[in-house]
Amino acid sequence: GENVEQHPSTLSVQEGDSAVIKCTYSDSASNYFPWYKQELGKGPQLIIDIRSNVGEKKDQRIAVTLNKTAKHFSLHITETQPEDSAVYFCAASIISGNTGKLIFGQGTTLQVKP
Amino acid sequence: NAGVTQTPKFQVLKTGQSMTLQCAQDMNHNSMYWYRQDPGMGLRLIYYSASEGTTDKGEVPNGYNVSRLNKREFSLRLESAAPSQTSVYFCASRDFDTQYFGPGTRLTVL
Repeated sequence: GENVEQHPSTLSVQEGDSAVIKCTYSDSASNYFPWYKQELGKGPQLIIDIRSNVGEKKDQRIAVTLNKTAKHFSLHITETQPEDSAVYFCAASIISGNTGKLIFGQGTTLQVKP
Repeated sequence: NAGVTQTPKFQVLKTGQSMTLQCAQDMNHNSMYWYRQDPGMGLRLIYYSASEGTTDKGEVPNGYNVSRLNKREFSLRLESAAPSQTSVYFCASRDFDTQYFGPGTRLTVL
């Protein structure tokens, strides 16, 4: 089955710097890659996603890149702010049928220091 | 529109006790999911329901049962709780590709 590895497990940056979180997946059939942000005491919330027919997607300060050949995808946060501090999860899925099952990475705790 | 709601927020059980975690969504989504979250392991799928009337096992179903009561509600039952089931449990529902998560239930089994 699918396996998703996420690195680093913790990341500390200064406010204004960029942060990059990387994930690799094992199943070449995976074609949907969402990123979730989880604030303390809350459930994960989707912040951006990418499908396998696209190499890059941006939404303001957040971008995701996908390399299908190497089976890895990355989350880029520019101009980080203290409110970006949270746990970030990548996930992979095969969009087929009606299951929508997600396989999550282990999570990255991002700390943005003011 | 409350989204996905879960009850209770916190629960402490003794080994061998049973309990049911409740989940409801008001977004008219067909698919619903139960995950557990443990430190350093991300979220792992326990069970899911692709549509009302169907349920299927995920990655870690042992020790759990589920019921899709109707389109809105999807419950998770622990018949005989074990310390290994100490975790934070999240319910989610899905619209197209996006899953929407509830606030979670923190369960401790002593």
